[in-house]
Amino acid sequence: GESVGLHLPTLSVQEGDNSIINCAYSNSASDYFIWYKQESGKGPQFIIDIRSNMDKRQGQRVTVLLNKTVKHLSLQIAATQPGDSAVYFCAEGNTGKLIFGQGTTLQVKP
Amino acid sequence: SAVISQKPSRDICQRGTSLTIQCQVDSQVTMMFWYRQQPGQSLTLIATANQGSEATYESGFVIDKFPISRPNLTFSTLTVSNLSPEDSSIYLCSAREGFSGNTIYFGEGSWLTVV
Repeated sequence: GESVGLHLPTLSVQEGDNSIINCAYSNSASDYFIWYKQESGKGPQFIIDIRSNMDKRQGQRVTVLLNKTVKHLSLQIAATQPGDSAVYFCAEGNTGKLIFGQGTTLQVKP
Repeated sequence: SAVISQKPSRDICQRGTSLTIQCQVDSQVTMMFWYRQQPGQSLTLIATANQGSEATYESGFVIDKFPISRPNLTFSTLTVSNLSPEDSSIYLCSAREGFSGNTIYFGEGSWLTVV
């Protein structure tokens, strides 16, 4: 039958504000989590990762938080810029392969 | 970080034909994967490409439709067979360096349109 495309959730923020993108994962046995950024017409670009023995990891302008109790992952982007506009995917890893979440579209308003 | 190149980057194919996508990594990698991204959707894992043996397919994907080869540690191909318009998608190759926990990188994708 015909498949219907999913409507990705959208987060709209003002340039310079902080952004928080949330993700719920499904497998409590997942031991590795990654955030990717996908710009229009391009493949996913690695942003930051975190292992299950950590609850926070920081990169340049980005922070990933992991709450294993409620199986929740978040990506915080500080001082959001127009170049941050993209679709953001979380992915959970187990036995080496990644399962992707639905994705969130981040729109940065000038 | 591994650099992953895919060919073709885009193609338009007739229904009933097949398309083979090549994936080349600039360094030896332990694991390679193929994903499909349908329009407006997230990425779905098709299979793990195993070096020197048959690929491991995910539920809903079969070897007859998506034959995969991986002759060495840097190269893999995905063929999408007997094309139909429903196969119009982005097909993405990814690779992981080292063992579990190492970053997984993606190519830019191969954009397939079936007419």
